[in-house]
Amino acid sequence: DGGITQSPKYLFRKEGQNVTLSCEQNLNHDAMYWYRQDPGQGLRLIYYSQIVNDFQKGDIAEGYSVSREKKESFPLTVTSAQKNPTAFYLCASSIWGIDNEQFFGPGTRLTVL
Amino acid sequence: GQNIDQPTEMTATEGAIVQINCTYQTSGFNGLFWYQQHAGEAPTFLSYNVLDGLEEKGRFSSFLSRSKGYSYLLLKELQMKDSASYLCATGDTDKLIFGTGTRLQVFP
Repeated sequence: DGGITQSPKYLFRKEGQNVTLSCEQNLNHDAMYWYRQDPGQGLRLIYYSQIVNDFQKGDIAEGYSVSREKKESFPLTVTSAQKNPTAFYLCASSIWGIDNEQFFGPGTRLTVL
Repeated sequence: GQNIDQPTEMTATEGAIVQINCTYQTSGFNGLFWYQQHAGEAPTFLSYNVLDGLEEKGRFSSFLSRSKGYSYLLLKELQMKDSASYLCATGDTDKLIFGTGTRLQVFP
């Protein structure tokens, strides 16, 4: 089955630690995205990538980093510089072009203690 | 810049019809999406409008007026499983901008 996977579903970390969230897709999509969702809020774009070895900052990139070494994978690192990292993180992918549907992974709920 | 507005919460009764509105301001329009998101889950695609008018897909329909910067999602014959958040999103050059979502609660 084609799809997009994120792991783990729940993640707990101590304050000051970096943590990496994984995102893998086997849909052969060029574009991948990372969003953050806080309670009662919509999705806010962290980073996106249109092609391997290239990515752009979204609206709230500070305190986060990404890499795109393979077409299938787009991991997100939440660094200790992110002031309020506890949130629900969603990864998505699409065929390149803003008029194409984005497919979302199941999300990772990160809690920083 | 981009701005998207939609109501925060709505309630409706099973079997009824509900209309969820979305207004947007955009520097360049690339179509409007509606997604459904159940609590704690990933959003799933419902509809995409790029031309004016109504698009019908089963119990769900979506309408767009580009001149008014306005869209709505119409849900007919409501079922309990339609209780979810409904997100409106529009394109900005090469990325989507999402509204805060409308949380719909369906009561028996």
